[in-house]
Amino acid sequence: AQSVTQLDSQVPVFEEAPVELRCNYSSSVSVYLFWYVQYPNQGLQLLLKYLSGSTLVESINGFEAEFNKSQTSFHLRKPSVHISDTAEYFCAVMVGSNYKLTFGKGTLLTVNP
Amino acid sequence: DGGITQSPKYLFRKEGQNVTLSCEQNLNHDAMYWYRQDPGQGLRLIYYSQIVNDFQKGDIAEGYSVSREKKESFPLTVTSAQKNPTAFYLCASTQGAWAKNIQYFGAGTRLSVL
Repeated sequence: AQSVTQLDSQVPVFEEAPVELRCNYSSSVSVYLFWYVQYPNQGLQLLLKYLSGSTLVESINGFEAEFNKSQTSFHLRKPSVHISDTAEYFCAVMVGSNYKLTFGKGTLLTVNP
Repeated sequence: DGGITQSPKYLFRKEGQNVTLSCEQNLNHDAMYWYRQDPGQGLRLIYYSQIVNDFQKGDIAEGYSVSREKKESFPLTVTSAQKNPTAFYLCASTQGAWAKNIQYFGAGTRLSVL
């Protein structure tokens, strides 16, 4: 069965610092990978996704993630965070022709002034 | 505006009571999903439906039931058999039945036990 591991449950950083949120998955077949963001008391929103092609994917608000097949990872990075980036971030994976996503347990990013 | 509407925002359940959470979408999406979110547990899939009048159990379906009589509606009933129902419940939908398509989420319903 597919699984997703987010290695850090909480990541506190200062404003304008770089950040990396780690995500590893377990699957020996082709995967589709996603990062979703959840602001307090709201639903989730798609941040970015990898389906095929370039292994580096970017979002419109400065986040990027790189698909690394050999390390089975899809880490999320941002070179300089803002207070408004404070939220919980979820990595998710879909394997092959499966009709559902498997989510990680989430990483709470807290950006401090 | 198109989107997913979940109601109510907050819900309280008494012991032995069934409660129903509403999920309506006007995105003309084919597939709909119900997730349960607990602190530190991420999202766990309860049920999903790829087409009208059809649905499948997810990873934690025990104590829950659903129906999909209309394309735009996918209500979730939390039955008295669910002994630990306190959680944040999220409904989502996708265009087409493939989970690789973007999932759009509602704002959630927070269920508590009295």
